Amino acid sequence: SQTIHQWPATLVQPVGSPLSLECTVEGTSNPNLYWYRQAAGRGLQLLFYSVGIGQISSEVPQNLSASRPQDRQFILSSKKLLLSDSGFYLCAWTSGRAGGNEQFFGPGTRLTVL
Amino acid sequence: AQSVTQPDIHITVSEGASLELRCNYSYGATPYLFWYVQSPGQGLQLLLKYFSGDTLVQGIKGFEAEFKRSQSSFNLRKPSVHWSDAAEYFCAVMDSSYKLIFGSGTRLLVRP
Repeated sequence: SQTIHQWPATLVQPVGSPLSLECTVEGTSNPNLYWYRQAAGRGLQLLFYSVGIGQISSEVPQNLSASRPQDRQFILSSKKLLLSDSGFYLCAWTSGRAGGNEQFFGPGTRLTVL
Repeated sequence: AQSVTQPDIHITVSEGASLELRCNYSYGATPYLFWYVQSPGQGLQLLLKYFSGDTLVQGIKGFEAEFKRSQSSFNLRKPSVHWSDAAEYFCAVMDSSYKLIFGSGTRLLVRP
């Protein structure tokens, strides 16, 4: 069966420090991968998605970047964190086949920028 | 542009009472619709989905949802709420690029 992992689970970082959040998927190949951010009391905002290795699409201009160095690995990064980067970050995957497939979500990373 | 509206930010119901969470969408074609549930500090779990066919969709944990094209709605229902149903619920529509567009969520509180 497929599983999705995210780490770390929680992170507290000072403003201006770098960031690296990792997401890996097991049990499937060539998934579509997604990064979402959920700010306190708000819905989910899609940040990035990827349909293959090295293929990244950005949904909103921001202080973050994403990379996909391997088929089942998706990394969210920042060179210098801002206070506004605080939030709950969720990674998700879906089958790479065309069609209305559901997205499966990871457990999330709680990021607090101080 | 596609969008999803969940008009109720919070809903409180008594345990054992029925529940209906509202969701309205804006989408030009036949939509793919989803309901997800999120417990505090957790990821999202899929409750049910609608792609085509029967407009009344059954999901996990006793939830169901009805797709009404004429009203652009996909409301979530449960006949008898349990205390463990307290969580945040998100409605979503899949756009033509297979990306999910989420509503802002409805937080469900359950009174004992």
